[in-house]
Amino acid sequence: GQSLEQPSEVTAVEGAIVQINCTYQTSGFYGLSWYQQHDGGAPTFLSYNGLDGLEETGRFSSFLSRSDSYGYLLLQELQMKDSASYFCAVTSGSARQLTFGSGTQLTVLP
Amino acid sequence: KAGVTQTPRYLIKTRGQQVTLSCSPISGHRSVSWYQQTPGQGLQFLFEYFSETQRNKGNFPGRFSGRQFSNSRSEMNVSTLELGDSALYLCASSPNYGYTFGSGTRLTVV
Repeated sequence: GQSLEQPSEVTAVEGAIVQINCTYQTSGFYGLSWYQQHDGGAPTFLSYNGLDGLEETGRFSSFLSRSDSYGYLLLQELQMKDSASYFCAVTSGSARQLTFGSGTQLTVLP
Repeated sequence: KAGVTQTPRYLIKTRGQQVTLSCSPISGHRSVSWYQQTPGQGLQFLFEYFSETQRNKGNFPGRFSGRQFSNSRSEMNVSTLELGDSALYLCASSPNYGYTFGSGTRLTVV
């Protein structure tokens, strides 16, 4: 089966940089995705890494190391609106099933 | 471009009843997945459909079923509802990777 581990909570101040790590165990790995979910809302796709390396999208970057079964989401210039839950998810198997981690609650303080 | 539409948004049912939830994916997306989200279990994969075929199924009892129509719209059905089925049910569609989620149906079983 698949398993993913990410920290349950992270706290940072406005303007800071925060990194949310994700380690995974899976077979038939295709890629690692990140999703953001605000309270009461639906998950929103942030990024996808299919190959090793860094993907940058504005203030958000995501990194993948397939050999280490590890990835992270980097959020720069934190804003209050970034307070949300962040989920890593692996795409795996012939049917490309998406399996989510348990989520990291990010709190941005003023 | 319209997003993923789920109906209804909220639903209250009694134990033992059955329920049908609907999902209209983004036009052109042939893959539709369903997830159950609860505070205790997080985002759990229910099943995924592609071109009217169930490609993958999560670890849920047979009371949970789904189908996809030729226009890619999907429905999921839960029979003999239990209190533990109370959750946010999310539908997501994808062209390849990077799922777009609907706002979900919040089901309360009383």
